[in-house]
Amino acid sequence: AQRVTQPEKLLSVFKGAPVELKCNYSYSGSPELFWYVQYSRQRLQLLLRHISRESIKGFTADLNKGETSFHLKKPFAQEEDSAMYYCALLSSGSARQLTFGSGTQLTVLP
Amino acid sequence: DSGVTQTPKHLITATGQRVTLRCSPRSGDLSVYWYQQSLDQGLQFLIQYYNGEERAKGNILERFSAQQFPDLHSELNLSSLELGDSALYFCASSVVSLEGFTGELFFGEGSRLTVL
Repeated sequence: AQRVTQPEKLLSVFKGAPVELKCNYSYSGSPELFWYVQYSRQRLQLLLRHISRESIKGFTADLNKGETSFHLKKPFAQEEDSAMYYCALLSSGSARQLTFGSGTQLTVLP
Repeated sequence: DSGVTQTPKHLITATGQRVTLRCSPRSGDLSVYWYQQSLDQGLQFLIQYYNGEERAKGNILERFSAQQFPDLHSELNLSSLELGDSALYFCASSVVSLEGFTGELFFGEGSRLTVL
């Protein structure tokens, strides 16, 4: 069975400080990992996916298969980064399902 | 707005009752997914439909059922409601089928159910 763990329900950082949202996964196959974000009064939306190796809004995430982690990082947090962040794993094979973690509420303080 | 639409936005009901949540996918999307979001467990996958057929089931209780209609809208039926069913229920859609799913879901705003 696949599982996604986000150990922090709440995370607060000051503006300009680095931020790291942790995500660990458990999956026997070859995983594809994603980060979704929900800003206040907006819909849950895709932020980034590991296969594209992109930086979105200054955020990056590297898949570490040895540590089974996919932590989301940003060197300098901004107040507009305050949101709920969900890590998600897409299973491989014929039944590709997206499993979400429990989410981390990030608050960037002024 | 051609995004995913969900109705009602808010619903308050009593234990033992039955409710129906409605979802219209984005124009052109054939797959509809239902998720339950609670404070303790985050986003839990309930069920997925593709072009009218059930394709995948997650942690959906037997008291819950869903269907997707020929016009592709979907309904989630929750019966014999319990206090613990209070949650935010999200619908999401994607354009591709289960095999071709790339991981990008488009979510609605959710239906907040409160069971008293």
